[in-house]
Amino acid sequence: NAGVTQTPKFRILKIGQSMTLQCTQDMNHNYMYWYRQDPGMGLKLIYYSVGAGITDKGEVPNGYNVSRSTTEDFPLRLELAAPSQTSVYFCASRTSGAGNQPQHFGDGTRLSIL
Amino acid sequence: AQKVTQAQTEISVVEKEDVTLDCVYETRDTTYYLFWYKQPPSGELVFLIRRNSFDEQNEISGRYSWNFQKSTSSFNFTITASQVVDSAVYFCALSEAMEYGNKLVFGAGTILRVKS
Repeated sequence: NAGVTQTPKFRILKIGQSMTLQCTQDMNHNYMYWYRQDPGMGLKLIYYSVGAGITDKGEVPNGYNVSRSTTEDFPLRLELAAPSQTSVYFCASRTSGAGNQPQHFGDGTRLSIL
Repeated sequence: AQKVTQAQTEISVVEKEDVTLDCVYETRDTTYYLFWYKQPPSGELVFLIRRNSFDEQNEISGRYSWNFQKSTSSFNFTITASQVVDSAVYFCALSEAMEYGNKLVFGAGTILRVKS
């Protein structure tokens, strides 16, 4: 009963490095989302996808890229890491049914840029 | 534009006290959905409850209860007889029916500290 799996759980990057945060779900959900959570703040939407091959920008997309080649996977790419990207990143998924279906979240990736 | 306000940044109570977490929202859509999530100190986000805009019934689940009032655009969460395990950050969130992708807008969260 894996649900939404995020890897890695923790990572430290140097300024200018790049990395990919992985997200996989086994619930056959069409909708997937990436959020960042800064200290004392709520979650801000970075990118989302309503199905394989379809992605859209959220509220704070600058500095990030995504792809959705399969229903299961929704990786988030940081190309040139900056200190402002230090945050906790959450991936979520939900069914494409009625709008009241909740999003299911992974355990998060804690990322520090030094 | 949709907006969720959780005015209480942090609340501290003593075990067994009742506590209410406030959530006020703004939306132009007539059909929308409200959610509460819990984030315990371990960091994961746990779904607690959802409410459709056309269903104004209050709900009780054990020590938890939710009061949805459309007239005041509020969806408040009450914990009765709080316990130390209730210590967490609680988020209220809103999704509009007409919003492409059913995106959620989150409030800033309320930190609840329950002391023994």
